[in-house]
Amino acid sequence: EDQVTQSPEALRLQEGESSSLNCSYTVSGLRGLFWYRQDPGKGPEFLFTLYSAGEEKEKERLKATLTKKESFLHITAPKPEDSATYLCAVQAASGTYKYIFGTGTRLKVLA
Amino acid sequence: EAQVTQNPRYLITVTGKKLTVTCSQNMNHEYMSWYRQDPGLGLRQIYYSMNVEVTDKGDVPEGYKVSRKEKRNFPLILESPSPNQTSLYFCASSRTPATNEKLFFGSGTQLSVL
Repeated sequence: EDQVTQSPEALRLQEGESSSLNCSYTVSGLRGLFWYRQDPGKGPEFLFTLYSAGEEKEKERLKATLTKKESFLHITAPKPEDSATYLCAVQAASGTYKYIFGTGTRLKVLA
Repeated sequence: EAQVTQNPRYLITVTGKKLTVTCSQNMNHEYMSWYRQDPGLGLRQIYYSMNVEVTDKGDVPEGYKVSRKEKRNFPLILESPSPNQTSLYFCASSRTPATNEKLFFGSGTQLSVL
């Protein structure tokens, strides 16, 4: 069964304290892996798509990487405005164009 | 501004009273989808539509209906809501129903069924 697991569930960082969020996945063929950011009371907002193992993408303080079993979202020198829930999703090669979402990591960055 | 618009944002209703949550996108997207988000369960797909008049079930379709009569609109219908349908609902769209298309989400509808 296709599955996405994110860890940790919640993370508290001091401003400037770098860390990584993990997304491990089990799918029967990966079409793509997505990272989204979700602020309270809002819908998820797209951050990155990764297609193949070894690929990396960066945006400001965020960097996403992909291996054959997992993806990491690295946050370098975070600021309070980076506080949000970060969602990982995969699109499997089997069946329809379905997206399978993880339960997210709630990140809180303290000033 | 490119966006997915859902209405209403908040809805409190009673068991059995039919309701409709509207979703509209202004990006000429072919693919639209409905999700529900529950604590500890993440986003789960209810229904999706590859194009006008083409819809199919997602992972949790029981108790829901959809229609896609126009490209821009994809309403979610609860014919006889029950308390287990209390949830946060999101509509999403993408340019095409193709591999690796990013999803654009609406702001969500918080539904409470008493």
